[in-house]
Amino acid sequence: GENVEQHPSTLSVQEGDSAVIKCTYSDSASNYFPWYKQELGKRPQLIIDIRSNVGEKKDQRIAVTLNKTAKHFSLHITETQPEDSAVYFCAARSPPSNTGKLIFGQGTTLQVKP
Amino acid sequence: DSGVTQTPKHLITATGQRVTLRCSPRSGDLSVYWYQQSLDQGLQFLIQYYNGEERAKGNILERFSAQQFPDLHSELNLSSLELGDSALYFCASSVADGQETQYFGPGTRLLVL
Repeated sequence: GENVEQHPSTLSVQEGDSAVIKCTYSDSASNYFPWYKQELGKRPQLIIDIRSNVGEKKDQRIAVTLNKTAKHFSLHITETQPEDSAVYFCAARSPPSNTGKLIFGQGTTLQVKP
Repeated sequence: DSGVTQTPKHLITATGQRVTLRCSPRSGDLSVYWYQQSLDQGLQFLIQYYNGEERAKGNILERFSAQQFPDLHSELNLSSLELGDSALYFCASSVADGQETQYFGPGTRLLVL
């Protein structure tokens, strides 16, 4: 069945350093890959997404890269700040195109130390 | 605030009982999705409705059912509750039927005692 593996499960960095979270998906037909940030007790919030026809996307300090051949995608956060501390989830969506079922990774708890 | 609302915020009930969770999508959104988040299972897709019709199904238990009403709000019914059903239940919505961003509601925290 469809599966998304996410690593690492926890990540601790110093403020100002970069953080990288990696995900691997199983369904080669997957065509949409969002990343969500979830603070404790709150809703998941979309921070960036990428579609299968694009290899990289950037939004200020956040970037996502996609390698369709290897079936993996990564989240890169540069110049981390304490407010980046949260749980980050990757997800993948597969066809058919008229459904929106997201398969989520297990999450990465990011701690940014001041 | 995503514009997706969910009620109630918290729900405490006993095993064997039945509860109903409610979700109102963002104005204009036609799709509603339900996800279950538990500590050991992460975020699991349950079901999607688009404009009143079931569009996709995940590993939703037979004890669980959902529907989307003509005004586009949705309800998730959980019956014969077990301890393991304790979780956060999120509703999300999107503009159309699948290719768009999903916006999550604040969730309903269910505790089964």
